[in-house]
Amino acid sequence: AQTVTQSQPEMSVQEAETVTLSCTYDTSESNYYLFWYKQPPSRQMILVIRQEAYKQQNATENRFSVNFQKAAKSFSLKISDSQLGDTAMYFCAFIRTGGTSYGKLTFGQGTILTVHP
Amino acid sequence: DTGVSQDPRHKITKRGQNVTFRCDPISEHNRLYWYRQTLGQGPEFLTYFQNEAQLEKSRLLSDRFSAERPKGSFSTLEIQRTEQGDSAMYLCASSPPTGNTGELFFGEGSRLTVL
Repeated sequence: AQTVTQSQPEMSVQEAETVTLSCTYDTSESNYYLFWYKQPPSRQMILVIRQEAYKQQNATENRFSVNFQKAAKSFSLKISDSQLGDTAMYFCAFIRTGGTSYGKLTFGQGTILTVHP
Repeated sequence: DTGVSQDPRHKITKRGQNVTFRCDPISEHNRLYWYRQTLGQGPEFLTYFQNEAQLEKSRLLSDRFSAERPKGSFSTLEIQRTEQGDSAMYLCASSPPTGNTGELFFGEGSRLTVL
């Protein structure tokens, strides 16, 4: 079984600043994806960024980038130039690839991020 | 809006009553999932459909829970004899038929409060 741990229940950042959200995971699988999902208040969860475990290069999506440390089983999210619209709950998630794992994500507990003007 | 829609958005019920939630996935998505999210926690997987076939069920899905997707389109999640511990947000998600990238498209959820 996999576990995903987010040790920061809440974080805050000033608009235009940079913030890093932490995530660690535990698995015996060698093939998997890691994700950061964003859940704004009273709105649906959306995918922010995805990392394939076999890729050494860290994924980036505009202002969002990850620091994937496979040996340490660490997967942090960096948000640059924070915007008010980034205020949300952020979830780190894991899925093993192959087999019958379709859509069976394991989520962390979440980090509430507040961006202040 | 062509996203995943869920109904009702909120449901308040008394302990012991039955409740049913509906999910309409994105039309071209053949995979549909139900998750449960309790306050302050991440979502937990409940069940997965590919077309009309229910291919996986979590141990969290007790005998009081039943999910269906009769024609491979919309899905329902029924909870019988509700208990206070069933209070949660029930999230539906869908994904397209190709690949296993883990990108799910979520609805806004159905919040259940059991009094």
